[in-house]
Amino acid sequence: SAVISQKPSRDICQRGTSLTIQCQVDSQVTMMFWYRQQPGQSLTLIATANQGSEATYESGFVIDKFPISRPNLTFSTLTVSNMSPEDSSIYLCSVTGQSGGNTIYFGEGSWLTVV
Amino acid sequence: GDSVTQMEGPVTLSEEAFLTINCTYTATGYPSLFWYVQYPGEGLQLLLKATKADDKGSNKGFEATYRKETTSFHLEKGSVQVSDSAVYFCALSERNYGQNFVFGPGTRLSVLP
Repeated sequence: SAVISQKPSRDICQRGTSLTIQCQVDSQVTMMFWYRQQPGQSLTLIATANQGSEATYESGFVIDKFPISRPNLTFSTLTVSNMSPEDSSIYLCSVTGQSGGNTIYFGEGSWLTVV
Repeated sequence: GDSVTQMEGPVTLSEEAFLTINCTYTATGYPSLFWYVQYPGEGLQLLLKATKADDKGSNKGFEATYRKETTSFHLEKGSVQVSDSAVYFCALSERNYGQNFVFGPGTRLSVLP
């Protein structure tokens, strides 16, 4: 499976600020996904990021709040804009395997606390 | 729509006890089924998977069998260790390329020495 690195791994952010999370993969992948995991909860898909096109957002998530870039097949960023305490979550980047298929693999996550 | 239901936690066991975490699903087609594990302070790791009925996924002493007739994918381990303490997520996907993953709520397991 691909090796997925996320930065930052943890951060404490001030209310009203924005933070960009980076996701770097050690191989080219077609599909990249951004998930949110609120404290004690399961995972919720924010958006699917494909190279060369706009990200596809799930219901309840909008581009103004969570802008995503996907400049190439190994890298993506997710920005959490104008943060509030409700945005305190783990944000997880995930990708499909190198051979495609239907298995996804996750980075270590970015643990954000908004104060 | 598709959904995944897991037994509610937390589950607390003594070391070397037998573990079962129940998972049932609802899907319109023939999904692939997965168990992911999240150790404290970490992201999710794929534990095992099964892609068709009667397949058995196994890894690190954990097993789960895809039961189409009961729409279940229960996770089992014969003898748990303290290091197995984590949150376990059951999930399904009906499509290729990682789309349309549906995760269960997660079950927290604590193993006491």
